[in-house]
Amino acid sequence: QSVLTQPPSASGTPGQRVTISCSGSNSNIGNNSVNWYQQVPGTAPKLLIYNHSQRPSGVPDRISGSKSGTSASLAISGLQSDDEADYYCAAWDDSLGGRWLFGGGTRLTVL
Amino acid sequence: ELQLVESGGGLVQPGGSLRLSCSASGITFRSSWMHWVRQAPGKGLVWVSRIDRSGGTINYADSVKGRFTISRDNANNMLYLQMNSLTAEDTAVYYCTKQLTTWGRGTLVTVSS
Repeated sequence: QSVLTQPPSASGTPGQRVTISCSGSNSNIGNNSVNWYQQVPGTAPKLLIYNHSQRPSGVPDRISGSKSGTSASLAISGLQSDDEADYYCAAWDDSLGGRWLFGGGTRLTVL
Repeated sequence: ELQLVESGGGLVQPGGSLRLSCSASGITFRSSWMHWVRQAPGKGLVWVSRIDRSGGTINYADSVKGRFTISRDNANNMLYLQMNSLTAEDTAVYYCTKQLTTWGRGTLVTVSS
């Protein structure tokens, strides 16, 4: 069981807006920045969001991230079929000598 | 642009050892923290270890502490992961990643008799 908690699944229809949550604690999300990744099965993860809400170059602005307290969220608007993938949050955790944590992942289905 | 290519994966018996390598092309390797992240078949991402620019600061996940050793060779743009006392639970694709931003394609490690 991951220390960062994500819903196992999410879904939406093309054009819709979906959000994926990531719940942590003061030792991770509450005190450190959050990254979000997209992973199409069989391929390497791709960074979508860093530092809670910053987008690397090439990531469209219909993808956004936010943080409030010990939780973070990823929002995808204008949902497209190729958004169907697994999504992971990640954060540094200050406990136990320091470690990076990943959420358990959310499988996004485009209906 | 930095590119990362992992190698060294394969089939190993329980209790055995394996050394993974990650070759980095580009000029930002020596200035970057480097990590290993793994993913068991059908499961999520799990952080394994990280090493700072000089090799002076290293962290490990509890699940590999005392068994795995991360190291780097900045002169040759190489990252390594020495894995000892392997068990079936170590079976996974192992990814090399620069600061958890740029990722390699991964190398599969299978621990089985």
